[in-house]
Amino acid sequence: ETGVTQTPRHLVMGMTNKKSLKCEQHLGHNAMYWYKQSAKKPLELMFVYNFKEQTENNSVPSRFSPECPNSSHLFLHLHTLQPEDSALYLCASSAPAGYEQYFGPGTRLTVT
Amino acid sequence: QKEVEQNSGPLSVPEGAIASLNCTYSDRGSQSFFWYRQYSGKSPELIMFIYSNGDKEDGRFTAQLNKASQYVSLLIRDSQPSDSATYLCAVKSRGNQFYFGTGTSLTVIP
Repeated sequence: ETGVTQTPRHLVMGMTNKKSLKCEQHLGHNAMYWYKQSAKKPLELMFVYNFKEQTENNSVPSRFSPECPNSSHLFLHLHTLQPEDSALYLCASSAPAGYEQYFGPGTRLTVT
Repeated sequence: QKEVEQNSGPLSVPEGAIASLNCTYSDRGSQSFFWYRQYSGKSPELIMFIYSNGDKEDGRFTAQLNKASQYVSLLIRDSQPSDSATYLCAVKSRGNQFYFGTGTSLTVIP
């Protein structure tokens, strides 16, 4: 595996389900990010982890819970989502935080 | 006021022409600036980054930064049909905050 990988690539979940998105980077980077991309809206930064420590949390609802066990792995735990949470969720990594980011392929999430 | 503004386009240029993409940002303390290309159904791909005022060239791409005017641009020389995509401007603000524009859609006509 090279670059940044994300699983699953597609996810359909009900509003009462609990699921997790996984991201793994193979670039030797120290920072990882979660973004949300909705139609007609700019990419929205959700969370930033630098050397496993969360440095940014942009007022994201608590139904989204990030986890960063090490510099190579990032998770986004989802529970009791709303239909408006349907979007493309992108993971990115950079050397340390603040430098150019490299994105994974994304997870297309649909909440029914 | 949006943090990062781009013309949504669409911008159409003939093959071989220069495509000029523009971006303005609101936070005067912004430190780093990035251009990404995003094909339909794909994730953003880094094209260029620029930290200092002036021009930075990489192959057919030139990024231009003017911090006094809070303006950053991307020039694509000898545009190819494969350059047809949405181009996203991103700005690193204070801390580790990144703001993206909504993107400019570029079509290169053969």
